[in-house]
Amino acid sequence: GDSVTQMEGPVTLSEEAFLTINCTYTATGYPSLFWYVQYPGEGLQLLLKATKADDKGSNKGFEATYRKETTSFHLEKGSVQVSDSAVYFCALRVNQAGTALIFGKGTTLSVSS
Amino acid sequence: SAVISQKPSRDICQRGTSLTIQCQVDSQVTMMFWYRQQPGQSLTLIATANQGSEATYESGFVIDKFPISRPNLTFSTLTVSNMSPEDSSIYLCSVEGDDRTQYFGPGTRLLVL
Repeated sequence: GDSVTQMEGPVTLSEEAFLTINCTYTATGYPSLFWYVQYPGEGLQLLLKATKADDKGSNKGFEATYRKETTSFHLEKGSVQVSDSAVYFCALRVNQAGTALIFGKGTTLSVSS
Repeated sequence: SAVISQKPSRDICQRGTSLTIQCQVDSQVTMMFWYRQQPGQSLTLIATANQGSEATYESGFVIDKFPISRPNLTFSTLTVSNMSPEDSSIYLCSVEGDDRTQYFGPGTRLLVL
């Protein structure tokens, strides 16, 4: 079945360090891919998305490129801030209206000053 | 996008009791989804709620335990029945927006003693 695999956390970085969180997927067809972020004590917020191969989603300095050949959607940021500390979820949705998301297990990021 | 509110935001309940969680959306939507996030875990879909029809439950979730109502296009409720400590989780409502992106409510944090 369809699934999402994320790198295990926690990821601990110093402020201004480079961030990569790996995400790979298994799906039939051509899914849409998402990164959601969950700040402490809050719900999920959409961070970025990509709906077809080679699309790059970006927001708040974060980027991810939909790589069909490697079935990946790795999240990157060039310089992290303490305020980026949160749990990051990679998710996919098969391209059918009204279909729920399939989530990875989440990666906890902790940034220290 | 869609703005989603949930009530209550958190609750502490005794085992054997039931809790009804409300989800209100600021626009009319066809599909609403209910997810559970157990402590330190990812999100698991409980059911999909379509207005005017019975909710569709995922494997491992049953209507007697998690009855759902969807009386109109902006509102839904999820009831957690006959609760046990294993039901302690965050329950999240989400909707699919016009851009086919899923937006999440802030969640209801439930602790069962």
